[in-house]
Amino acid sequence: NAGVTQTPKFQVLKTGQSMTLQCAQDMNHNSMYWYRQDPGMGLRLIYYSASEGTTDKGEVPNGYNVSRLNKREFSLRLESAAPSQTSVYFCASSEAGTGQDGYTFGSGTRLTVV
Amino acid sequence: QKEVEQNSGPLSVPEGAIASLNCTYSDRGSQSFFWYRQYSGKSPELIMSIYSNGDKEDGRFTAQLNKASQYVSLLIRDSQPSDSATYLCAVRMEGDYKLSFGAGTTVTVRA
Repeated sequence: NAGVTQTPKFQVLKTGQSMTLQCAQDMNHNSMYWYRQDPGMGLRLIYYSASEGTTDKGEVPNGYNVSRLNKREFSLRLESAAPSQTSVYFCASSEAGTGQDGYTFGSGTRLTVV
Repeated sequence: QKEVEQNSGPLSVPEGAIASLNCTYSDRGSQSFFWYRQYSGKSPELIMSIYSNGDKEDGRFTAQLNKASQYVSLLIRDSQPSDSATYLCAVRMEGDYKLSFGAGTTVTVRA
C-alpha cells in the first residue's frame, strides 16, 4: 500500500535551474495538493487540483506551475528556481475534497536552491 | 490575523501526564477540524478529526471543539516519549477543498 509517492526525496538546484516534482497516489482520490513547509510558517498551499482536469492557485503560487496529468498524478514545476524556494514540499491527496476527510501526505521533497 | 493559530511551544510534559494543545481559528464558516502529528523529518500523519461541538475520543487522544469560541483542542492522556512530535491543527471551511494549517505546537515528553 504505497499511498502517496513523491520523487525525488532530496534535490539541490542552482539558482535559475528548473525541475519538476512528481507526485502519484494509488488510493483513487479525487483531490490533490501541493504544500511547502518552512520553519515557523507551517504548511502553506501552493496549488491544488479539486478533480482531474482542474487546478487552482493556493496561498503561495508565484514561481510554480502544476499539471494534473491524470487522476493519479499531480506534478509541481519550478521554472527558474530561487533561494526563496528552498523548502520541504509535500504532496497530499483526499478522497472527496470538500467533505470530512483529511489528507494523506507523501514523504516530502527536501529542496535546496543555492 | 492568521487563519489558524497555535502556540508554537515547546510544550514539555512528564511521562504519564496530560498534554493539552490549543488551536483557534478566525473563520466562522469553518466546518471540519483535524489534528496531525509530525515527527521530525517526516510527513504529517492524521490522528484526529472532529466536526461537531463537544468531545471526541480515540484511544489516548481527545479532540474538543467549541465553534462558538472558535476553538479546538487536543488532549493527549498518559503521554509517552513516542508522543514527542509537532502537532498541526488544520481547518476546512464548508464547501472548500483546501485545509488551512497552523504553524504547529512542538511537544516533548520527558521520561
